[in-house]
Amino acid sequence: KAGVTQTPRYLIKTRGQQVTLSCSPISGHRSVSWYQQTPGQGLQFLFEYFSETQRNKGNFPGRFSGRQFSNSRSEMNVSTLELGDSALYLCASSSAANMNSYNEQFFGPGTRLTVL
Amino acid sequence: KNQVEQSPQSLIILEGKNCTLQCNYTVSPFSNLRWYKQDTGRGPVSLTIMTFSENTKSNGRYTATLDADTKQSSLHITASQLSDSASYICVVSGGTGGFKTIFGAGTRLFVKA
Repeated sequence: KAGVTQTPRYLIKTRGQQVTLSCSPISGHRSVSWYQQTPGQGLQFLFEYFSETQRNKGNFPGRFSGRQFSNSRSEMNVSTLELGDSALYLCASSSAANMNSYNEQFFGPGTRLTVL
Repeated sequence: KNQVEQSPQSLIILEGKNCTLQCNYTVSPFSNLRWYKQDTGRGPVSLTIMTFSENTKSNGRYTATLDADTKQSSLHITASQLSDSASYICVVSGGTGGFKTIFGAGTRLFVKA
């Protein structure tokens, strides 16, 4: 079974621009979660989707948004980029309906976003 | 406040030696605790998942323990290898007023030849 894939792997943007990141979960997984990882903050939860519905949301500004499609693929968008948005953005998929359940989450390789 | 604290922040050991990483949490009520290994520049990979009824779980040379009474977990690595160099992240799920998943900051392990 193919793992979680994320595109692009690397991205360089300038302040004020917007960016869209894509995540394809493991086949059959309907839950997708997004995380931001920075050296100073560690892993921070952004949001979780299940069957095209946002189930949970972390404490990030409205510039961060996401969506999930009927095939479970998910995208996240960051508008009006700031220098502090430079981070590794990770996507994880699970067969569970809830990210907090016992079911294992499988992470993708991440997208490294650099904002100049 | 629900928190997960890991110690030490970083650790250097010689290849072949054992080591133990610590995770203390205040998440209550507790649902499950996971340990992940993350190689530099890659996504985390699950090592173990434990519920409150499990106090030990092994995955090869990795053994996680859980004491739900003291809210402490440890990850023991036996006969370390150079490939064990990575960050190890403790993740706890539970809480009230909105079920949460809380990530620890991780322990950075360096294994030297």
